[in-house]
Formats: sequence, C-alpha cells, structure tokens
Amino acid sequence: DQQVKQNSPSLSVQEGRISILNCDYTNSMFDYFLWYKKYPAEGPTFLISISSIKDKNEDGRFTVFLNKSAKHLSLHIVPSQPGDSAVYFCAASALGGGSNYKLTFGKGTLLTVNP
Amino acid sequence: EPEVTQTPSHQVTQMGQEVILRCVPISNHLYFYWYRQILGQKVEFLVSFYNNEISEKSEIFDDQFSVERPDGSNFTLKIRSTKLEDSAMYFCASRAWDSPSSKQYFGPGTRLTVT
Repeated sequence: DQQVKQNSPSLSVQEGRISILNCDYTNSMFDYFLWYKKYPAEGPTFLISISSIKDKNEDGRFTVFLNKSAKHLSLHIVPSQPGDSAVYFCAASALGGGSNYKLTFGKGTLLTVNP
Repeated sequence: EPEVTQTPSHQVTQMGQEVILRCVPISNHLYFYWYRQILGQKVEFLVSFYNNEISEKSEIFDDQFSVERPDGSNFTLKIRSTKLEDSAMYFCASRAWDSPSSKQYFGPGTRLTVT
C-alpha cells in the first residue's frame, strides 16, 4: 500500500547544479506535505513543507512545488552542495483522525552531490 | 535547537524477550509518536500519543506493543515478546501543537536487533 511513492531510489548531481526530487501520492485526503532529510545514523530532519492550498513554498536553496491535480510534488535544491548528500523522504499527512497528523512516508531518494 | 533523544542507540535481544525503548521528547511538546524502519523499507507509523492516551495506532501496533509516558518527560515503547521481524530502527518523534504545520521532530533512533 504505497500511498506516497518516490520512484527514484537514487539521484546523482554535480555541485552547483539543480537537484530535483520527485514524489507522487495517491490518497486524496492528504493535505500537508513535507520533505525530510536523513543522514546515516541520524533521525529524519525536517526540511520544508507545503500546505495543499499552496503550489509553491520556498526556503533559501530549497523549493517545494505541489501539483494537486497530478498528485505530485517535487523538491528543488539549487545550487546543490556536497553537504546535501543524504536520503530525502517525502511525507504526507491528512486532517481528520483527531489531532494526529501521523506522517506517511515514501521510500526515500538517496541524493549524492559530487564536488 | 532542542532535540529528541533516544536510548539505547542499539539494542540486541533474543526472540521472546521483552524490550523497552526510551525517548525523551522536546520538553514543551504535547504529541508523541513512534515510527519504525525495517532495513531497506520505508519509515512506517506505529502509534501516536496525546494527553496520556493513544490517539491512533497502525495495524503493526498489536497487543505485543505498548507505550507509556511514565513521568512527564520519558516516552517509552515496550515490545513484550520480540519476534525476528521486529528487528528495525525505531524512531521517536514529538510535536508541539495541534496543527499540521507543527513540525514533527525525530530522535536519532534505536536499532533493535532480535536474534
């Protein structure tokens, strides 16, 4: 039951270039989307989020785009830096179910930024 | 920045034994979660906890699992009789307030190995 899908297990980019990580979802009840970054031996770290009422959110080098009709979101990192090398998880939550907002994660994409 | 802490970082146990995984959420947070990640798979929601009771649990969270907030600072996950398939990274997370924009902060995880 893959409600959140990250179809690219890995991505390799050159330093300074743009990294684009993609995520698709199937559950129409999802209305809040997040990207987490994870380094080995650490827990996921929040990166950026977007509400379903927006189509873009920007924070420094990181921008998340949401296409609700396509049930697709993407994370753009520009310019990419070697320190960005990590596993990136797309996650989603839905209103309802009480004050819960549990996260449903994708499988993650390993980003490698080469110097 | 405040952190969620988890102990131990690695726990090895024999099948059938009880284990308790401990977490100290961020001090002013009200919502608490356990997730797990089996090697090579996605991060999966186990349980959410608010106001001293479970607010939601997944189908993974069967009668062998329990959670407790015994003293107002710790948040524990107990597995009564471990199985081989319980081997995974277990992440604790906490959140401050009742909104999807309230970030979930994750701890570094406990690696549970059941032999």
